[in-house]
Amino acid sequence: SQKIEQNSEALNIQEGKTATLTCNYTNYSPAYLQWYRQDPGRGPVFLLLIRENEKEKRKERLKVTFDTTLKQSLFHITASQPADSATYLCALPAGGGNKLTFGTGTQLKVEL
Amino acid sequence: EAGVTQFPSHSVIEKGQTVTLRCDPISGHDNLYWYRRVMGKEIKFLLHFVKESKQDESGMPNNRFLAERTGGTYSTLKVQPAELEDSGVYFCASSPRRLEVDTEAFFGQGTRLTVV
Repeated sequence: SQKIEQNSEALNIQEGKTATLTCNYTNYSPAYLQWYRQDPGRGPVFLLLIRENEKEKRKERLKVTFDTTLKQSLFHITASQPADSATYLCALPAGGGNKLTFGTGTQLKVEL
Repeated sequence: EAGVTQFPSHSVIEKGQTVTLRCDPISGHDNLYWYRRVMGKEIKFLLHFVKESKQDESGMPNNRFLAERTGGTYSTLKVQPAELEDSGVYFCASSPRRLEVDTEAFFGQGTRLTVV
């Protein structure tokens, strides 16, 4: 069956460092992959989408890579700030565009 | 532009009671989705509307759950009768197109349902 795995352990890093989050998937051949941010008590907020034919995508301090051979995406936040503390979710399309399938998310905490 | 709004934000009900959750999508978004997150698990798909038509309801847990989208605008999700395992956070999302390339989903803040 299709499965998405993200680091289940929370990630604590120091302000200014680069945070790297991992998303691995099995039994998918996705046309794209999305990353969302979720704050406590809020719904997920879209951050970035990367297509299967793109190796890397950037948006301000965010960078996403997509390796369809390894079936893995890496999500980087450079020069991290305490305001980046949140849960980050990766999501893959399923059901012919009817839905997204989410990973469990990785909680990131950026400390001063 | 108003985002996706959900009502209520919290609901505590007793087992066996009925609860109705409401979602107002972004104006003009034909696609509306319901998702649910139960404690410690990932966000899971429940169903997808295009306008007033159900496109995919493969994630609905059982026949105690009923979703409607009359007129293709707002949607309701009714749980009747509620069971303890229905507790969780219910999210609604909308998108202007199907979730194909270059289309993101816009989520509401969720309704936290607690069944006691």
